[in-house]
Amino acid sequence: AQKVTQAQTEISVVEKEDVTLDCVYETRDTTYYLFWYKQPPSGELVFLIRRNSFDEQNEISGRYSWNFQKSTSSFNFTITASQVVDSAVYFCALSETTSGTYKYIFGTGTRLKVLA
Amino acid sequence: NAGVTQTPKFRVLKTGQSMTLLCAQDMNHEYMYWYRQDPGMGLRLIHYSVGEGTTAKGEVPDGYNVSRLKKQNFLLGLESAAPSQTSVYFCASSFFPPQEQYFGPGTRLTVT
Repeated sequence: AQKVTQAQTEISVVEKEDVTLDCVYETRDTTYYLFWYKQPPSGELVFLIRRNSFDEQNEISGRYSWNFQKSTSSFNFTITASQVVDSAVYFCALSETTSGTYKYIFGTGTRLKVLA
Repeated sequence: NAGVTQTPKFRVLKTGQSMTLLCAQDMNHEYMYWYRQDPGMGLRLIHYSVGEGTTAKGEVPDGYNVSRLKKQNFLLGLESAAPSQTSVYFCASSFFPPQEQYFGPGTRLTVT
């Protein structure tokens, strides 16, 4: 069975604060992929990053960074110096091969509110 | 390049009515998906397609049917709508998994 847990339902921060969104996953496969998506108030999900299970290097893209740790089955997302435009629901997702077919499992999402 | 589009954006149905949601993509993606999003439950896969003429069941397929007659289109049908199908429906497409998915803007469906 595969599972993605985003324990933080909602987080509120003040603008310019750093914030980390947690994602913990479960899988029996050795090959799998992890994703983060952003869903702004407009509603459309936007892809942010994909990571495969063999690449544990941290990723940084501007104010965004991702920390992938296989030892703790976590793929956390940090926003540095948050801005109001970062307010959104963020989803973590896992994809692994099940009988040769890839399926995506999404977490329940974390709603981030950045206050001015 | 419109990406993934969905029609309609909003719809209100009465219990027992039927309707079809249309998803179209112009990225030549093989894979297409229908999800529903409910509060506190994230995205759940209804049906998906791995290519023109193929469909497969996802996590919550009951009460829905799909068709993929053309590569660029993926239709989701509700034959007899129920209040439990009140939700926001998202279509997505991708190249061969596990590439990232591209999502449409969503359809908000209310069944009274």
